[in-house]
Amino acid sequence: DAGVIQSPRHEVTEMGQEVTLRCKPISGHNSLFWYRQTMMRGLELLIYFNNNVPIDDSGMPEDRFSAKMPNASFSTLKIQPSEPRDSAVYFCASTRKDRANQPQHFGDGTRLSIL
Amino acid sequence: QKEVEQNSGPLSVPEGAIASLNCTYSDRGSQSFFWYRQYSGKSPELIMFIYSNGDKEDGRFTAQLNKASQYVSLLIRDSQPSDSATYLCAVNNAGNMLTFGGGTRLMVKP
Repeated sequence: DAGVIQSPRHEVTEMGQEVTLRCKPISGHNSLFWYRQTMMRGLELLIYFNNNVPIDDSGMPEDRFSAKMPNASFSTLKIQPSEPRDSAVYFCASTRKDRANQPQHFGDGTRLSIL
Repeated sequence: QKEVEQNSGPLSVPEGAIASLNCTYSDRGSQSFFWYRQYSGKSPELIMFIYSNGDKEDGRFTAQLNKASQYVSLLIRDSQPSDSATYLCAVNNAGNMLTFGGGTRLMVKP
């Protein structure tokens, strides 16, 4: 079975540019999570969705960040405009909401560098 | 603020020894506990989960949970150099959100 699929794997762009990260959750999973990982702050939850609906976006750092989940098999995280401090690895994870105590399964991540 | 605390390490053990990784959490309502392994430059990978007090064994790995003391630990027997990684403790408080600790870096020396 395919795992969580993220694209691109690497992104290098100049500050001020728009960045779009993409995620396809595991088929049958109905909860999706976006995380950011840095050496300084570790793994931080940015936002999560249940059944395509955003539930908690309190981790989204600023209005420059937005996330959407138009259907059960696709989500995007957008940064506009991007800044050097946004450089990090961004992970997407998914799980099944309707079963208790389920682990989250992570994609390979997108390594983002803002110059 | 729900917190999960881990010693950042590095924890250095010789090959063949037992590595003991510890995690404490603040929310007494926490229901399930997960250990993830993360190799440098890779994504977190689930290796163990535990829901009930006591021990749970899976191969060389044993997870231990003590809800009264609010700690969970991971023991790795017969440590191998390939076990060298960062180990993340994650706690499920409500729904299906996880709170992650900062991770413990483990180094197994040949």
